[in-house]
Amino acid sequence: KAGVTQTPRYLIKTRGQQVTLSCSPISGHRSVSWYQQTPGQGLQFLFEYFSETQRNKGNFPGRFSGRQFSNSRSEMNVSTLELGDSALYLCASSLAKRVEEKLFFGSGTQLSVL
Amino acid sequence: AQSVTQLGSHVSVSEGALVLLRCNYSSSVPPYLFWYVQYPNQGLQLLLKYTTGATLVKGINGFEAEFKKSETSFHLTKPSAHMSDAAEYFCAVSDSSYKLIFGSGTRLLVRP
Repeated sequence: KAGVTQTPRYLIKTRGQQVTLSCSPISGHRSVSWYQQTPGQGLQFLFEYFSETQRNKGNFPGRFSGRQFSNSRSEMNVSTLELGDSALYLCASSLAKRVEEKLFFGSGTQLSVL
Repeated sequence: AQSVTQLGSHVSVSEGALVLLRCNYSSSVPPYLFWYVQYPNQGLQLLLKYTTGATLVKGINGFEAEFKKSETSFHLTKPSAHMSDAAEYFCAVSDSSYKLIFGSGTRLLVRP
């Protein structure tokens, strides 16, 4: 069974630009979560989608948005990029029938904002 | 609000020695607790989790953790460290909101 796939693996953007990151969950998984990982702030929850509905959102500005498609694939978008948005963005999927279920993480997209 | 504190950003042990990584949590409701491991240039992988029931939880690769409600702790241990255990370890807590709150991580170094 294929794991969680995130594309692209690396991304370089400049301030003010917009970026879209993609995540394909494990087949059959209906929940997709996004996390931002930085050396200074660690791992922070962005949002979680289940069956195309956002169930929870972290404490990030409105420049960060996401969506989930009917095939469970998800995208997150960051508009008007700032230097501080440089981070590893991790996507995780699960069956999410119960809140304590295991998350399966992808290898992440490393975003650098210049 | 929930929070997780991991004592020690770096822990160094000799190969074959006991591994002890500390985690304390704060939660207003009975928590679900997790330990994840991250190897270089990879995502996170679940080592073990506590939901309900037995407070001593066994995970993969010989790791285990004990939930102690009175101490609000969930420390991770392994009797004998291997070189392959070198990685970063994250403790996390969840309630009913489908999100994980992670600690700041502990980097485990294993000396030959």
